[in-house]
Amino acid sequence: GDSVTQMEGPVTLSEEAFLTINCTYTATGYPSLFWYVQYPGEGLQLLLKATKADDKGSNKGFEATYRKETTSFHLEKGSVQVSDSAVYFCAVNYGGATNKLIFGTGTLLAVQP
Amino acid sequence: SAVISQKPSRDICQRGTSLTIQCQVDSQVTMMFWYRQQPGQSLTLIATANQGSEATYESGFVIDKFPISRPNLTFSTLTVSNMSPEDSSIYLCSVRQNTGELFFGEGSRLTVL
Repeated sequence: GDSVTQMEGPVTLSEEAFLTINCTYTATGYPSLFWYVQYPGEGLQLLLKATKADDKGSNKGFEATYRKETTSFHLEKGSVQVSDSAVYFCAVNYGGATNKLIFGTGTLLAVQP
Repeated sequence: SAVISQKPSRDICQRGTSLTIQCQVDSQVTMMFWYRQQPGQSLTLIATANQGSEATYESGFVIDKFPISRPNLTFSTLTVSNMSPEDSSIYLCSVRQNTGELFFGEGSRLTVL
C-alpha cells in the first residue's frame, strides 16, 4: 500500500551545520509531497510542499526537491539554527476521492549552540 | 490559510469516561480530518468527517469508540469513548485547503489515568 519512509532520528547537529532528512515514498501515481514541522509544545505547521516532478519547495531556508526517478523528497538546509529544533514530518497526498495525507514517522532534530 | 481552534487544549481523564473534542474553523470547508498522534509517534488518520453524512473511518478505528459529529461546514466534534490509558494521545483536527495541503489545529492533548 501507500507509504512514506522517513529517516529515523534523533538528529543532533551543531549550529550552522548542514541538514539533510531523507524521505522516500511508494511510487503510486503522482502524489503531492509535503514537509510539516512541529515545534516543541505546538501543533503541526506546513513547512513546504511540491506538487509535481522536479518542483522545489522552499521556506525559512529549508528546501526539498520532488525527485520522481528516486521517489524521494529529502529536506535540506544549509545552515541550521537552534530555533530549528523540532520534529519534521514528511507527508504524501496520493489524491483520489479522500485526498488524505499519509505521514512519515517524524524525525527529531536537535540543534546545539 | 484557515484558522482552526480546538477545545480542550489538554485534559486529564479517568479510565472508563468519555471526552468530546471540539474543532472550529473560521471558514467553510467540505472535509475535515481527525488524526491521532500517540506519544513519540507519527500521525495516524482516524476518520474523515463530511458535512451531512457519516464519517469515514480508517482501518482500526470504529464509530463506537470514536463517534464524530459534523453538523455544519465550520464545526466538528470527536468523542473518545470509554477511555483507557492507551488512548492517551494528541488528537488533531485538520482541514484541506484548495491548494492541497492540510492545516492543523494545535491539538488536544489527552492523558488517561
